[in-house]
Amino acid sequence: EAQVTQNPRYLITVTGKKLTVTCSQNMNHEYMSWYRQDPGLGLRQIYYSMNVEVTDKGDVPEGYKVSRKEKRNFPLILESPSPNQTSLYFCASSVRLAGDNEQFFGPGTRLTVL
Amino acid sequence: GESVGLHLPTLSVQEGDNSIINCAYSNSASDYFIWYKQESGKGPQFIIDIRSNMDKRQGQRVTVLLNKTVKHLSLQIAATQPGDSAVYFCAENINNYGQNFVFGPGTRLSVLP
Repeated sequence: EAQVTQNPRYLITVTGKKLTVTCSQNMNHEYMSWYRQDPGLGLRQIYYSMNVEVTDKGDVPEGYKVSRKEKRNFPLILESPSPNQTSLYFCASSVRLAGDNEQFFGPGTRLTVL
Repeated sequence: GESVGLHLPTLSVQEGDNSIINCAYSNSASDYFIWYKQESGKGPQFIIDIRSNMDKRQGQRVTVLLNKTVKHLSLQIAATQPGDSAVYFCAENINNYGQNFVFGPGTRLSVLP
């Protein structure tokens, strides 16, 4: 089944404790992206990657890191999480970077930072 | 700053009626727009898209209209069904590479029996 998977789905952590949220797609998509979703603010793009070893900042990259060492994986890293990073996170992928390509979203990761 | 917004945060319609969800965008250079549907506990799901060289595009029971003059986008759902109840987002593509998207805050559609 073609899909985007994220792990973990739920995570409660404490301020300053490094964490990684994994994202994997099995559709051989070139493009992958991370978003956070907050009430009243909709989805905001954190980082995106147009291909292996090619990443770029979205609208809200502060406090986050990403890597794209393999085509299928695009982990989101929080080196020192803070409470303002409590949010619902979505990973997405699409075939290529062209503008008319549908993005497939993962199921979401709900992160709480105490 | 540039943003994508929605006029109505909530919309209630009777089952069988048509629904219209509106969206305003501020970047006149945006050339690609997508509507997404998000059901409770799930990630957004692509519904329909439109490029700026088009005014209208139709899918199955859905139509997207684009008015570039007033920078307005709308999603029309025909014969709304209970399964259409969800939050709907519009998104605009704001760079030439095609993948830096800005999303609106969303409109919740409730279908009444």
